[in-house]
Amino acid sequence: ETGVTQTPRHLVMGMTNKKSLKCEQHLGHNAMYWYKQSAKKPLELMFVYNFKEQTENNSVPSRFSPECPNSSHLFLHLHTLQPEDSALYLCASSQVGGLPYNEQFFGPGTRLTVL
Amino acid sequence: SQQGEEDPQALSIQEGENATMNCSYKTSINNLQWYRQNSGRGLVHLILIRSNEREKHSGRLRVTLDTSKKSSSLLITASRAADTASYFCATDEGGNKLTFGTGTQLKVEL
Repeated sequence: ETGVTQTPRHLVMGMTNKKSLKCEQHLGHNAMYWYKQSAKKPLELMFVYNFKEQTENNSVPSRFSPECPNSSHLFLHLHTLQPEDSALYLCASSQVGGLPYNEQFFGPGTRLTVL
Repeated sequence: SQQGEEDPQALSIQEGENATMNCSYKTSINNLQWYRQNSGRGLVHLILIRSNEREKHSGRLRVTLDTSKKSSSLLITASRAADTASYFCATDEGGNKLTFGTGTQLKVEL
């Protein structure tokens, strides 16, 4: 596997379900990110992890819970979501402090539908 | 409003024509990046231009940056049907965060 992988690619869940999204990067990067992409909206940064430490939480509701057990893996735990949380969730990684200047590498995304 | 705003929101051209997309932003930046996204997929980095650069080329891509106007443009020359995608600018203001615009949807017709 190369680059950034995400599983599952598609997820349908009810509002009372608990599920997790997984991201893995094979690039040796030290920073990982979760983004939310909704229709007709800019990409929204949700969380940033540098060296496994969370450095950014962009006012994300607590029903989204990130976990970064090591610099290669990132999870997004979901519980009691709302229909408006339906979106494409993208994971990205980058090498902070090196070149080329915070270019981010994205996974293919998880298309989440909340019923 | 968001940091990066692309213009136009949508662009439809014929294969072989050039496509130009513009991005405006509001704050000081370290660099500006352009990404491409095919429908429902992740973003792919295209090109990065630093704040002290004015123009950069990569293959059929040409990016300009005018920091006095806080704007950038992406030119795709001799477009192909495979260039059909959404294109986003992203500004790096430091702190390893990128702020993305709403994107330009480009359609290249045969």
